[in-house]
Amino acid sequence: AQSVSQHNHHVILSEAASLELGCNYSYGGTVNLFWYVQYPGQHLQLLLKYFSGDPLVKGIKGFEAEFIKSKFSFNLRKPSVQWSDTAEYFCAVNARNAGNMLTFGGGTRLMVKP
Amino acid sequence: GAGVSQSPSNKVTEKGKDVELRCDPISGHTALYWYRQSLGQGLEFLIYFQGNSAPDKSGLPSDRFSAERTGGSVSTLTIQRTQQEDSAVYLCASSLGAWDTQYFGPGTRLTVL
Repeated sequence: AQSVSQHNHHVILSEAASLELGCNYSYGGTVNLFWYVQYPGQHLQLLLKYFSGDPLVKGIKGFEAEFIKSKFSFNLRKPSVQWSDTAEYFCAVNARNAGNMLTFGGGTRLMVKP
Repeated sequence: GAGVSQSPSNKVTEKGKDVELRCDPISGHTALYWYRQSLGQGLEFLIYFQGNSAPDKSGLPSDRFSAERTGGSVSTLTIQRTQQEDSAVYLCASSLGAWDTQYFGPGTRLTVL
């Protein structure tokens, strides 16, 4: 069965700092990759996704992620975080030929200090 | 447009009681999913419906859990004889079709006393 690992459980940054959250998955076949965000008191929202094509994908609010197939990674980046980016971030994988469900990483809680 | 809606938003029940949780997917979405979010286990898949096909129940943790989807739209997740370890946020998601982006509802927070 596929699994997803997020390396950082808690990250604390100051505003304007750069962000990179790691995500690795274990599945050798074709995958769809996602980052979801959960702001305090809100439900899961899609941040960005990769299905095919350009491995560098851009999402909402200035976030981007790069799919590196050889490393089974899909790391999330933002060059300059804002206080409003304080949230929990989840990487998720949808592996073709292995069911239609999403497999989630454990999540990363990001706190941005003003 | 309207997103995925779930009811109730909160449910407190006593151990041993049955509960029903409801999900209304986005109109026109053929696929519907249930997940559970808990502190100890993170986000876990429970069950998946696609059109008129038999559901994928591979994530249901025990036979106390069941779900149905009527008319290809609304879904109900039923937990019988609730246990304290069932306490979690139950999330519903829908997608236009298989392999499409899943959109999540606000969840139902279940507390079993």
